[in-house]
Amino acid sequence: LAKITQPISMDSYEGQEVNITCSHNNIATNDYITWYQQFPSQGPRFIIQGYKTKVTNEVASLFIPADRKSSTLSLPRVSLSDTAVYYCLVGVLTGGFKTIFGAGTRLFVKA
Amino acid sequence: SQTIHQWPATLVQPVGSPLSLECTVEGTSNPNLYWYRQAAGRGLQLLFYSVGIGQISSEVPQNLSASRPQDRQFILSSKKLLLSDSGFYLCAWRGPATNEKLFFGSGTQLSVL
Repeated sequence: LAKITQPISMDSYEGQEVNITCSHNNIATNDYITWYQQFPSQGPRFIIQGYKTKVTNEVASLFIPADRKSSTLSLPRVSLSDTAVYYCLVGVLTGGFKTIFGAGTRLFVKA
Repeated sequence: SQTIHQWPATLVQPVGSPLSLECTVEGTSNPNLYWYRQAAGRGLQLLFYSVGIGQISSEVPQNLSASRPQDRQFILSSKKLLLSDSGFYLCAWRGPATNEKLFFGSGTQLSVL
């Protein structure tokens, strides 16, 4: 399974763009990169997923370089409600369908 | 549409007592099912996952066990709880394809006293 490294915490201010980078050096050919958001006392929820290049949806963008050894989640113009923990998840179909999360990045958005 | 139900929402149990947490999924067939635990302020620890009825894979050796008696039912159990079993327990499901997303239940906050 890919080893996942992401910053433990980040601070930002309302209205700024936030970029959270995840390192996954030994990502496998079939692995997708998925990001989840978790608020306190709730289960994580899906934000965005990609395999290569760039993916954009209504809440975020995901940038994946050609070597796929890292990925960057970009949150445009964050608000206070974006304060949460963001998890990078790599690797899905690996024999037993394991899905193991990294430690997550705690984003704190200030007014 | 698919939904996942998990109960109870909160639970306070004495040390040494048994545990049973239940999770059910609706609107899908043959889901992959997962139990995670999250200690306060920590990340998600995968405990068990299941790809089919009666098929359970354990990730962490401990006094917990899991069972899947029906296709869309996943149960987490313990015969004797320890203080260290306290935490936020989350059930999740996903489909079988490579790029399937995980969908989580609302979680059970377990306090062992």
